[in-house]
Amino acid sequence: AQSVAQPEDQVNVAEGNPLTVKCTYSVSGNPYLFWYVQYPNRGLQFLLKYITGDNLVKGSYGFEAEFNKSQTSFHLKKPSALVSDSALYFCAVRDLYNFNKFYFGSGTKLNVKP
Amino acid sequence: KAGVTQTPRYLIKTRGQQVTLSCSPISGHRSVSWYQQTPGQGLQFLFEYFSETQRNKGNFPGRFSGRQFSNSRSEMNVSTLELGDSALYLCASSLDRGAYEQYFGPGTRLTVT
Repeated sequence: AQSVAQPEDQVNVAEGNPLTVKCTYSVSGNPYLFWYVQYPNRGLQFLLKYITGDNLVKGSYGFEAEFNKSQTSFHLKKPSALVSDSALYFCAVRDLYNFNKFYFGSGTKLNVKP
Repeated sequence: KAGVTQTPRYLIKTRGQQVTLSCSPISGHRSVSWYQQTPGQGLQFLFEYFSETQRNKGNFPGRFSGRQFSNSRSEMNVSTLELGDSALYLCASSLDRGAYEQYFGPGTRLTVT
């Protein structure tokens, strides 16, 4: 069973508009959830994480993510997109009940057009 | 604080050869993980090391192996290279296991001809 899914290969938004990149997960117990961003020819950069507590977590570069336990989702959001946000975004989950393994989604390419 | 460093950054090998990639984690980080990234398969987990012990292993053949040294530096080795091994190999370190995020290096681009 896939532990984390990103249903959209690509998301297109206009600069200044809000953006959402979707992620759903499937692990036992309480998950540790993460978002990463990858720019061309670079490694992944950590954006934010949810461990426990407030369902809305804030991260780097104005990004935030909302944890929804009932929908098993952890969508990444930003109120106003920038062209420089264009990159590949990965959702990840640490499965504490499966030897602490990290599972990454397939990635979503975000295109922000001027 | 210096980030995760990987050497070499680029590598070209021929089929049948073997290769060793190196990763130096962020100072103080004890967990090191390796991933293979390809356009078709995305990001796939290879293995995780913590305190010089392999803690997790992904679904890769035995040609892929790794180790971690007492200073947390890690190496991965691929023997008998195949064309399909061409990929970006990413190393990531974290302070510890569990709730800690991983920090990624820039990767080693391996091309097998």
